[in-house]
Amino acid sequence: GAVVSQHPSWVICKSGTSVKIECRSLDFQATTMFWYRQFPKQSLMLMATSNEGSKATYEQGVEKDKFLINHASLTLSTLTVTSAHPEDSSFYICSARDSVIDTEAFFGQGTRLTVV
Amino acid sequence: GNSVTQMEGPVTLSEEAFLTINCTYTATGYPSLFWYVQYPGEGLQLLLKATKADDKGSNKGFEATYRKETTSFHLEKGSVQVSDSAVYFCALRTGNQFYFGTGTSLTVIP
Repeated sequence: GAVVSQHPSWVICKSGTSVKIECRSLDFQATTMFWYRQFPKQSLMLMATSNEGSKATYEQGVEKDKFLINHASLTLSTLTVTSAHPEDSSFYICSARDSVIDTEAFFGQGTRLTVV
Repeated sequence: GNSVTQMEGPVTLSEEAFLTINCTYTATGYPSLFWYVQYPGEGLQLLLKATKADDKGSNKGFEATYRKETTSFHLEKGSVQVSDSAVYFCALRTGNQFYFGTGTSLTVIP
């Protein structure tokens, strides 16, 4: 099946710094990518939908200035957590839809962010 | 609105036992239904799916039937293996968006 690579798998950063997470579709083109956040023992919560070449659409309650999303190419989307705080510590997962098949989404392995 | 309610875990079974993980949904329109599996340290992988009522999705011995009358999509496997230990997520898709259950952790012991 299609592969989505997410990097890094885990990261620890200091409060106030910014962290960038990359999501790449390795063997297909993805016009749409999704970013989710998962709290312990909770469901995946959609944060935003990014479309290649345009601004991301953020879900209600998600701060767009804090979670910067860039989808500059058909194979790469990035999520930057700016001025991170301990409450931003979470598991972030991206997914990408194959522009051709478009019947399902493929998920990255997730990034565990810990802000200290 | 759209939502998925999934059986809470963790679930621990002996090898070769029968598995059921319950999943019910609320949706506007006619969603597609999915089961995803997440093995330790890995991303979510599609396990099976069903796109309309009465469809049965199946893969690797797992099955789930799209029941519109009971708004359910329960996951079953007749004989689990140790290698099935993972977290299982039920999900629905309407339009561009997925909605996930909270996940059910399954541990299969030899």
